[in-house]
Amino acid sequence: DQQVKQNSPSLSVQEGRISILNCDYTNSMFDYFLWYKKYPAEGPTFLISISSIKDKNEDGRFTVFLNKSAKHLSLHIVPSQPGDSAVYFCAATKTGGTSYGKLTFGQGTILTVHP
Amino acid sequence: EPEVTQTPSHQVTQMGQEVILRCVPISNHLYFYWYRQILGQKVEFLVSFYNNEISEKSEIFDDQFSVERPDGSNFTLKIRSTKLEDSAMYFCASSGLVLNYGYTFGSGTRLTVV
Repeated sequence: DQQVKQNSPSLSVQEGRISILNCDYTNSMFDYFLWYKKYPAEGPTFLISISSIKDKNEDGRFTVFLNKSAKHLSLHIVPSQPGDSAVYFCAATKTGGTSYGKLTFGQGTILTVHP
Repeated sequence: EPEVTQTPSHQVTQMGQEVILRCVPISNHLYFYWYRQILGQKVEFLVSFYNNEISEKSEIFDDQFSVERPDGSNFTLKIRSTKLEDSAMYFCASSGLVLNYGYTFGSGTRLTVV
């Protein structure tokens, strides 16, 4: 089941630069997308989300872009900080109807921000 | 900040034994979930629970699995007869009065079946 894919297992970025994490999905029924961050020995932590009616959502240093026609979304972190080093998961869901919040996750991308 | 609490943090069990993983969701939350992550693989949805019943479950969640909210605060996942392939991190999550997909996860229980 590869409905949500993060093709880059890892990304290394210098502090202060932009980090761009990518995610692709195949299920056209998905209409809500989220990014989670995960540190070792902790559960995923919600970062930012976007509805399919938008193409951009911004929250501080984090911006998520959605390209519905390409079934692609990306997370931009500007400027990157060493504390951002973590595993980043893309997730997607279909809202409404009988949805009770099931998320489908990508494999994750390990982001390392070097001082 | 409110937390979802999971116990134990690590459990080792013998194949064929029953295990119960425990979770205390954030109080006043109404939607509860279990996910798991096998080492090196994706976080996978197992089950969602709302209004005291299972609302959705994945194909992973077979007859060996069950969930319960035995009192007003705990939410448990039981695996009746564990298999080696059940070894994984199990995450509990909860969401508030209005379904919020950016819900809160616990820190997980690492289950090791030997």
